[in-house]
Amino acid sequence: DTGVSQNPRHKITKRGQNVTFRCDPISEHNRLYWYRQTLGQGPEFLTYFQNEAQLEKSRLLSDRFSAERPKGSFSTLEIQRTEQGDSAMYLCASSGFNSDGYTFGSGTRLTVV
Amino acid sequence: AQSVAQPEDQVNVAEGNPLTVKCTYSVSGNPYLFWYVQYPNRGLQFLLKYITGDNLVKGSYGFEAEFNKSQTSFHLKKPSALVSDSALYFCAVRDVGLRLAFGKGNQVVVIP
Repeated sequence: DTGVSQNPRHKITKRGQNVTFRCDPISEHNRLYWYRQTLGQGPEFLTYFQNEAQLEKSRLLSDRFSAERPKGSFSTLEIQRTEQGDSAMYLCASSGFNSDGYTFGSGTRLTVV
Repeated sequence: AQSVAQPEDQVNVAEGNPLTVKCTYSVSGNPYLFWYVQYPNRGLQFLLKYITGDNLVKGSYGFEAEFNKSQTSFHLKKPSALVSDSALYFCAVRDVGLRLAFGKGNQVVVIP
């Protein structure tokens, strides 16, 4: 197992376009988290899944954001009609049942121009 | 909600000197506390955690942290800093819903 994998590493898109990111967690981890990190700030929670169920969504997750984890394995995060304010690093993390350890991926850096 | 605070923006230290990065927490109940390090344009790397047990926690790369319940602190320490320790350090606490709540981070600069 190579840890948490995120693709793509970088994405540049024009304002108004849709983008989708993928996260492959550690295979035995049943919990998966998405965070957003802007420059000079700590990561902010967006949403999390336990298996395929999306159990919590932050108020930061506007209607333009949607996340899925259809088979309880990989997850996708889609942003529709991107805005310049969406420019950030999007981090994925996974944890096991006890949630006493969280492994992060390398992130997807989104730049909206 | 649980929260952590990292009061300093940047910590400068000479190579070979002790390094301390400060973190205080606010929780209801028993805290689950973590330290992560982030290098430029990379994700977060786990350093150490406190769940229960000994107040002095040893982690990766020679780092340790001391849990102090009376001062609600969880400061990260390293006896002798290396230039390669220059990075962004985040303290975090497990919040409701089992997610992590992060501090704003501290930039550590180790001067050769």
